[in-house]
Amino acid sequence: QKEVEQNSGPLSVPEGAIASLNCTYSDRGSQSFFWYRQYSGKSPELIMFIYSNGDKEDGRFTAQLNKASQYVSLLIRDSQPSDSATYLCAVTADKIIFGKGTRLHILP
Amino acid sequence: GAVVSQHPSWVICKSGTSVKIECRSLDFQATTMFWYRQFPKQSLMLMATSNEGSKATYEQGVEKDKFLINHASLTLSTLTVTSAHPEDSSFYICSARVDDNEKLFFGSGTQLSVL
Repeated sequence: QKEVEQNSGPLSVPEGAIASLNCTYSDRGSQSFFWYRQYSGKSPELIMFIYSNGDKEDGRFTAQLNKASQYVSLLIRDSQPSDSATYLCAVTADKIIFGKGTRLHILP
Repeated sequence: GAVVSQHPSWVICKSGTSVKIECRSLDFQATTMFWYRQFPKQSLMLMATSNEGSKATYEQGVEKDKFLINHASLTLSTLTVTSAHPEDSSFYICSARVDDNEKLFFGSGTQLSVL
C-alpha cells in the first residue's frame, strides 16, 4: 500500500514566523512531488512542485525534497493570516497519491 | 496554471433523483480527468479516472453504476450521481492533467446535498 503521511495538525504559527510542513512517502519510485493549499469549502490549489533533490523557492514558499529519506517539506516564510488553510502533500509514481493534509493556523 | 471549470458549484436534490456534474478544461485538452470526493474535514478520496473515449476506471469500493462517468470529448467529463441518497452528500471535485505534465489542476468543486 503506497502511502503519503502528514501530521494532521493543527499547526499554529505566529504571524511573521516560518511555518514548516512535513510529508513522508512510502514509494521509493516516486518521481514528482506537489504541495496544494485548500481553504475550507474550496478545492485544492497547486502552490509548489518539485522533482529533484534539494530546495526550490517561489516567493515566500520553499519546497524541500530528500529522496533518500523519502521526505518532502514546505516552508512558508513571513506567515500571513491568509496562509491559514489545509496543505496537501501529493506524490506521483504510477498514480498521484494525496496525504490527508495538515491544517495550518496563523495566529495574528 | 491551467483552468478547470466545474458546474454546478452546489446542488440540493431530493433523495432518489439523479444529479449531473460537469467538468471542463477551458484552455487545454485533457485526455485524463479525475473525480474526487471529500467529506468534511476528511482527505480527498479518488473515485475514478476518466479517460477520453473509453470507460472510466473506478477505485475499489466505488459503485460504477451509481457514479456514471462520461468523457466524450477532450475538454468535458461528467459525473452523474444516480438515485442519490443522503449518504452521497459530499464535496465532489474534478481535476485534469495537462498532457504528460503530472500537475493536477482542480475544478472549483460541487457541494451536493441530498435531502
